[in-house]
Amino acid sequence: GAVVSQHPSRVICKSGTSVKIECRSLDFQATTMFWYRQFPKKSLMLMATSNEGSKATYEQGVEKDKFLINHASLTLSTLTVTSAHPEDSSFYICSVASGMNTEAFFGQGTRLTVV
Amino acid sequence: LAKTTQPISMDSYEGQEVNITCSHNNIATNDYITWYQQFPSQGPRFIIQGYKTKVTNEVASLFIPADRKSSTLSLPRVSLSDTAVYYCLVGLAGGYNKLIFGAGTRLAVHP
Repeated sequence: GAVVSQHPSRVICKSGTSVKIECRSLDFQATTMFWYRQFPKKSLMLMATSNEGSKATYEQGVEKDKFLINHASLTLSTLTVTSAHPEDSSFYICSVASGMNTEAFFGQGTRLTVV
Repeated sequence: LAKTTQPISMDSYEGQEVNITCSHNNIATNDYITWYQQFPSQGPRFIIQGYKTKVTNEVASLFIPADRKSSTLSLPRVSLSDTAVYYCLVGLAGGYNKLIFGAGTRLAVHP
């Protein structure tokens, strides 16, 4: 299966600052990537779908100006949490998909803590 | 997207077979059924996928009745390392289709 790498795996930032999370598909070209967030003991919640070269599609209730997604190439998508606040502290996970496969591949996740 | 219902939690003991059933009454004709496993602080990991009848791989079996309104993930002879959350997802297989996760089943395997 595909190898998906997220970086950083863990980050602590101060309230009001911005944090960028990278998601890389290491061994295949991902035309579509998905971003999820997960709170402790809760399920994954889809935030947005990013397509290479176009604007991301956000799920209802997700602020697009706060969670900036860029999918500039077939192997890299980034999620930037702008002006982070403590309530943004969560586990963020990316997923990659290809039209040729029948399963989605997930990154190892990024633990964001805003203090 | 078809909604899924699973038990919130299950307990088992090492060496036992564990069956987790998922209900998906509104499954569409083209939908596949996929199961993922998630350990704490890790991304989900694909376990198995099927469309109908029975699918088996090296880690699990998936049983799907003829009406496809439910499915059962079977884990043979579980070990402590199988303690995780298991998610049943229903939708078009792969590609550009977004995956919506339900609540999942938290499986605890005891010595």
